[in-house]
Amino acid sequence: EVQLVESGGGLVQPGRSMKLSCAASGFTFSNYGMAWVRQAPTKGLEWVATISYDGSSTYYRDSVKGRFTISRDNAKSTLYLQMNSLRSEDTATYYCTRNYRGFFAYWGQGTLVTVSS
Amino acid sequence: DIQMTQSPASLSASLGETVTIECLASEDIYSNLAWYQQKPGKSPQLLIYDASSLQDGVPSRFSGSESGTQYSLEINSLQSEDAATYFCQQHHDYPRTFGGGTKLELK
Repeated sequence: EVQLVESGGGLVQPGRSMKLSCAASGFTFSNYGMAWVRQAPTKGLEWVATISYDGSSTYYRDSVKGRFTISRDNAKSTLYLQMNSLRSEDTATYYCTRNYRGFFAYWGQGTLVTVSS
Repeated sequence: DIQMTQSPASLSASLGETVTIECLASEDIYSNLAWYQQKPGKSPQLLIYDASSLQDGVPSRFSGSESGTQYSLEINSLQSEDAATYFCQQHHDYPRTFGGGTKLELK
């Protein structure tokens, strides 16, 4: 069974950093691209970033480019999202997803990031 | 960026009815369209990809179709468990973009 378990969310002050992790199991992690998708409270879904199966290619939405870094450790079957210079508009539940041809067949339970002073 | 305009924003229907949700892409996305269902407090679940391919385990009362840049999700014989918010998403180009969502309420 595919499982994606996020961790690392919480309350953080504007301008500070936070790193999210996603532990994957139930599939060969190194065979799949992965992505982060977020959802602000009571809002819709917003794609954040995608990384290729081997980490060689990454893609970001403009609003996080230069502030967020997606990475992975295939030996540990873990996906990461390093978030720097956080803003109030980054407040959201962040979902780890398994990416296949640009759509997302598996999602974690999400981790809430609240950016507030 | 490709804009996905989803309609209606909300709808109310009765058990057993058929409903249709639509998404209009701002440009050709070559059938690279996915539909998701999200229940309150839960993660989204993939229903359909490539406009009309049903994800494994999804009931056959869900179906997808397309006409040009207009994509539709049809739910037949509505069940109580279909009450949820539905999102479309284009998987043709970066940035991946979602529709605004349709909240389906059962009467």
